[in-house]
Formats: sequence, structure tokens, C-alpha cells
Amino acid sequence: GAGVSQSPRYKVAKRGQDVALRCDPISGHVSLFWYQQALGQGPEFLTYFQNEAQLDKSGLPSDRFFAERPEGSVSTLKIQRTQQEDSAVYLCASKHRGSGNTIYFGEGSWLTVV
Amino acid sequence: DAKTTQPTSMDCAEGRAANLPCNHSTISGNEYVYWYRQIHSQGPQYIIHGLKNNETNEMASLIITEDRKSSTLILPHATLRDTAVYYCPPRAGNKLTFGGGTRVLVKP
Repeated sequence: GAGVSQSPRYKVAKRGQDVALRCDPISGHVSLFWYQQALGQGPEFLTYFQNEAQLDKSGLPSDRFFAERPEGSVSTLKIQRTQQEDSAVYLCASKHRGSGNTIYFGEGSWLTVV
Repeated sequence: DAKTTQPTSMDCAEGRAANLPCNHSTISGNEYVYWYRQIHSQGPQYIIHGLKNNETNEMASLIITEDRKSSTLILPHATLRDTAVYYCPPRAGNKLTFGGGTRVLVKP
């Protein structure tokens, strides 16, 4: 597709449930990022992949959060045993090869934990 | 990572220029200044970026002070569709560090 595609767009999970959020980056983009955005705040970095390698996961808030990109294209962010504080928009972004290239964001997956 | 300071909100008249300031006094020499905006319920949209020199594209102009401690995004003729939250996240390597942004309301 033309842009970064994320699914589901909206997800309501019961506390304790596991969720999986999918990101399809722009075709050919080797770098992929996940950000978390709480209501009324700016996005916060979670993790970064270059191809299938997860090079930075310093922003993942706990070991309940896990991201993968096994074939260097589609990525999945998994949250285990969801808590209410996990309610946020999860944004995926991608970038072409090259340090100066622009980072493009998807529309986000809105997660509400009840 | 550098921190940024922006006004929480500002109003702008439709058709007039909107000047959005950003303070990034702790920015390091290799960090670019990026501007994104986020319209309600959408992901951040790239606007423009620069390192030292002023930049212009079809969306906006970016003025960076000589000491790089602050910058101004200029929307030359604001329209109602420019109503959004505007962010100026510094970028070091591949990481963007977003602050709270400026909520811009363009009024008719």
C-alpha cells in the first residue's frame, strides 16, 4: 500500500487478556518503529527494527510487551496480560534505508483495556 | 536526548500566517529538528526538517536560529484543515523524542 498500515484500528480488551497489533510498513522500508501515545500526550518510543533485527527495545515499558518482525517486513506488537494503564494509541512507523530519510507514521491502533 | 518546549496552545486566523515556536536549547550538534503534526484520530504527519539552514517546502517554512536553540515553523496561509497538534521532536539517529506539542486552532 501507499502508507503504513495498522490493524486493528480499534481494540477493546478485558484486563488480563493478551493482544496482538499488526503493522505493515511502506514497501521497501527497512526500518520499523513502534511508539505508544497516551491520551493528551506526545508519542513515546517503544522499539526499533532494522529488517528483522530488533536493534533498540529500550522503550518497552515491561516484559509484558514484546515485538517481532520475523521476515523483516510485517511486525507484530504483543501485549500480554493487559492492564488498564496499557490503554493508548500504538503507532507504527517506517523509514527507507539511509540515516536521513523521513520517518512515516501509520494511523495507529487504539487500545482500550477495560 | 534533547528536550523541547512548545506553547501548549495557540489560535490562528484563517488565511493568516501561523508562526509556531519551539525551544530545543539542549539539542546536540547531530540532532535534526523535525516538525510533525497530528490531526485528531490520525497518526503524526511529517511536515519539514532541518539541521542548520532554513528550509521551505510546499507545506511550510522552517526557521532555525543560528545557535540552533530554537526554531519556528511557519504556515504561510493557515486553513481550517491546519487545525492540529504540532510537534517539534528532535531526531538523534532513528529516534524521535516527542514532547507535548502545540494545539493549534485555526479560526474562520
